[in-house]
This record gives sequence, structure tokens and C-alpha cells, in this order.
Amino acid sequence: DAGVTQSPTHLIKTRGQQVTLRCSPKSGHDTVSWYQQALGQGPQFIFQYYEEEERQRGNFPDRFSGHQFPNYSSELNVNALLLGDSALYLCASSWADRGSSYNEQFFGPGTRLTVL
Amino acid sequence: QKEVEQNSGPLSVPEGAIASLNCTYSDRGSQSFFWYRQYSGKSPELIMSIYSNGDKEDGRFTAQLNKASQYVSLLIRDSQPSDSATYLCAGGGYSTLTFGKGTMLLVSP
Repeated sequence: DAGVTQSPTHLIKTRGQQVTLRCSPKSGHDTVSWYQQALGQGPQFIFQYYEEEERQRGNFPDRFSGHQFPNYSSELNVNALLLGDSALYLCASSWADRGSSYNEQFFGPGTRLTVL
Repeated sequence: QKEVEQNSGPLSVPEGAIASLNCTYSDRGSQSFFWYRQYSGKSPELIMSIYSNGDKEDGRFTAQLNKASQYVSLLIRDSQPSDSATYLCAGGGYSTLTFGKGTMLLVSP
């Protein structure tokens, strides 16, 4: 059973550049959430995609955007990178059950982004 | 603003002891609660989910939820050095999860 996969593992960019991170959900899952985890902090919710639409968004600027493809995989794009964007970016997949508030999310290995 | 609070630790326990990790949450609308384990440099791993008041046991782990007190806890019995990690508490509703900053657990041999 394939788990959540993310690419790349590590990435180094300079301020002002743009970056695209990729995620494939766990087999059988249809929902992808993205989180940013700064050092020493818990993951912070960026947004969630379901049925190729952004279903909910956290408190992140419009420089952060995303996309979900028909095969449920997802991309996170960050424009005009700032030093403060350096963090571990985590993708989590889950199965949308509209009749339930349960929300078990399984994380991928993450992408470590360093902005210089 | 939804908040989940955890003591950052470190919580130090000897091998074989019971480790008790706690968290409180502010959003009464939260329906589901989760404990994740995160080793240094790795991503969070889901270890327990709890949705109803009371206790839920899975192997050496017991999660406890008290919605009236807005309190969630995780007990780890027979703690092992391999349990040394940061434990993240998360609460959520329909789609999002709000995480605490995590509690570092150190289990000494």
C-alpha cells in the first residue's frame, strides 16, 4: 500500500524566486492538505483540496497557491519567496467522508525548503 | 482563533514508566482529535485518533478526551527509548487540523 509521497525532498531557492512542490496521496485517498512547519513549531494549515477545488484555506497570503489533478495528486506553488518561507512543507492525504467529521490525515515525508 | 496548547517539555521519563502528555484546545466546535509522533527531521506519524469522550486504547497507547474540559491526553505505558520524539496534538472539524507546538518526550534507558 503506497503511502503519501512528496517531491522534491530538499530544495534551495533565493528570495523572489518561485517554487513548486508535489504530492501524491495515499492509495484510496481523494483529499490533499498542505501544511507549513517552521522549526520548533507545529504544522500550520495552508489549504486543502478536494475534487480539484480549494475547499478551505488557512491564514496564508495569495503567494501560496495550489492545484489538484484528476488523479488526486496536488501541487503547492509559492511565488516571490521570502526568507520566512523556509520551512518543512508537509502534504497530508485523507478520505473525504461527507457524513462524518472524522478527518484522519496521513503525512508524506515533506519537502525541506530553504530560502537564501 | 482556534488554538491547541501543549507543554513544550521536555518530559523526561525512565524506561518502563508511564509517560503522560496533555493538551487543551479552544475551539468547542472541534470534533476529532489526534496524536502524532514526530522524530527529529521526519514528518508526523499518526498514532491515535479519538472522537468521543472517554478513553481509547491501542497497544501501549491510551488517548483520553474530555470535551467539557476541552482536554486531550495521551498515556504511553512501558515507555521505551524508541518513544523519544515530539508528540503533536491536533484538533479538527470537517477538514482542517489545528496543531499544538508539540511536547518533546525523552525516555532514558
